[in-house]
Amino acid sequence: SAVISQKPSRDICQRGTSLTIQCQVDSQVTMMFWYRQQPGQSLTLIATANQGSEATYESGFVIDKFPISRPNLTFSTLTVSNMSPEDSSIYLCSAGGGRIDNEQFFGPGTRLTVL
Amino acid sequence: ELKVEQNPLFLSMQEGKNYTIYCNYSTTSDRLYWYRQDPGKSLESLFVLLSNGAVKQEGRLMASLDTKARLSTLHITAAVHDLSATYFCAVGGIMNRDDKIIFGKGTRLHILP
Repeated sequence: SAVISQKPSRDICQRGTSLTIQCQVDSQVTMMFWYRQQPGQSLTLIATANQGSEATYESGFVIDKFPISRPNLTFSTLTVSNMSPEDSSIYLCSAGGGRIDNEQFFGPGTRLTVL
Repeated sequence: ELKVEQNPLFLSMQEGKNYTIYCNYSTTSDRLYWYRQDPGKSLESLFVLLSNGAVKQEGRLMASLDTKARLSTLHITAAVHDLSATYFCAVGGIMNRDDKIIFGKGTRLHILP
């Protein structure tokens, strides 16, 4: 199984600022993803982080608000830009999945509070 | 639009009892995942089911998949308090998107000692 770490684990930010979340996987994986989870809710896929190309965003999420980088097969970043209180949530990185890896593993999450 | 429906969404049960969580999905899929999430924690992968009729068991948990009925079940046998958590099913390999998986709303399981 893949071990995934995220930094920071939590942060409190001011409205209008941006936060970059880092995700590191301990092995090379084909796919990496970013999810958002509101407290007590299910997970919503934000985007698939593609290595060497632009991320694939889901409906309702745009690159200007959530720019994503994936410079190699083990690392990705998600930036939450121009934050508002509505962006307060847990952001989870995951890796694996698909027909190659099948199993998809999740990082510990980043708890973001926007004041 | 793909829908993944779990039921029940909340379940309170006594230790030692058996129960089943159901996961229905609305479109063809080739992968079905079950995850466990403890409060304040991330998701723990429990099972990945890849084919019709697949059955996997780990301890008191057993998951099965019926792709024709678009139904997966997570059966709990002789529940113990340590199994209290939220359980999510998720569906992958849909709409020609190998990468995308869609989560159900989760079943919050509370096992009374």
